[in-house]
Amino acid sequence: AQRVTQPEKLLSVFKGAPVELKCNYSYSGSPELFWYVQYSRQRLQLLLRHISRESIKGFTADLNKGETSFHLKKPFAQEEDSAMYYCALSGGTSYGKLTFGQGTILTVHP
Amino acid sequence: DAGITQSPRHKVTETGTPVTLRCHQTENHRYMYWYRQDPGHGLRLIHYSYGVKDTDKGEVSDGYSVSRSKTEDFLLTLESATSSQTSVYFCAIRGQGFEQFFGPGTRLTVL
Repeated sequence: AQRVTQPEKLLSVFKGAPVELKCNYSYSGSPELFWYVQYSRQRLQLLLRHISRESIKGFTADLNKGETSFHLKKPFAQEEDSAMYYCALSGGTSYGKLTFGQGTILTVHP
Repeated sequence: DAGITQSPRHKVTETGTPVTLRCHQTENHRYMYWYRQDPGHGLRLIHYSYGVKDTDKGEVSDGYSVSRSKTEDFLLTLESATSSQTSVYFCAIRGQGFEQFFGPGTRLTVL
C-alpha cells in the first residue's frame, strides 16, 4: 500500500523567510512524486515533479529515498505563495493513480 | 488547463436525489479520474477510467457510479445523495507521464 503524509496542516511564515513543507511517503517500489498547489477556490496546479528536477516559482524539492521524503523548499517566501500545497505519489502502475497527502495550508504574512 | 471542464460548477440538492456531474476533456486523453476534496483528507480517488467503457473503483467509491461512453466525457453519478457527499469534486486527466491535470471543480451541497 502507498501512503503520503504531510505532518503540518498549517504553516505560517513572514515574507522573505525560508519555507519548507514536509512530505513523507511509504511505498515499497520506486515512486514518482509530485507537488501540487491550489490557490483559493481554484483548481489544483502541478508545481513540481521529482523526475524533472526543475525549479518553479522558486520552489525546489529533492527526493530522499533513504528518508522517504520529498520536502518542498523555497528560500524567500512571497505573499503570493499563500495557498494549499499537496504532495502526491504515483506507484507507477499503468493506471497512474495518485495518492495525495492531507495538504498543508501555507500563509505568508507581510 | 489541459482542456478540462466540469459541469455544473455549483449544485445544491436534497438528500435522496440522484446527481450527475460531468467532466469533459478536449485532448483525447485515455485516463480520467474523479476525486473528492475534503478538509483533513486531501483528495481521495472515487473512480477512474482507462478507456471507453473501462472503469474501476477507487478508495471511496461507495455511493458513486461512473460511466464513460465517449473518450471526452466521464460522468460521476451519486445514486442517492447523502449529506456526507457534500464536497468539492475534481476531475483529472493523466498527462504524458504520471502527472495529472485537474478540472476547475464542482462544489456540491447536499441538504
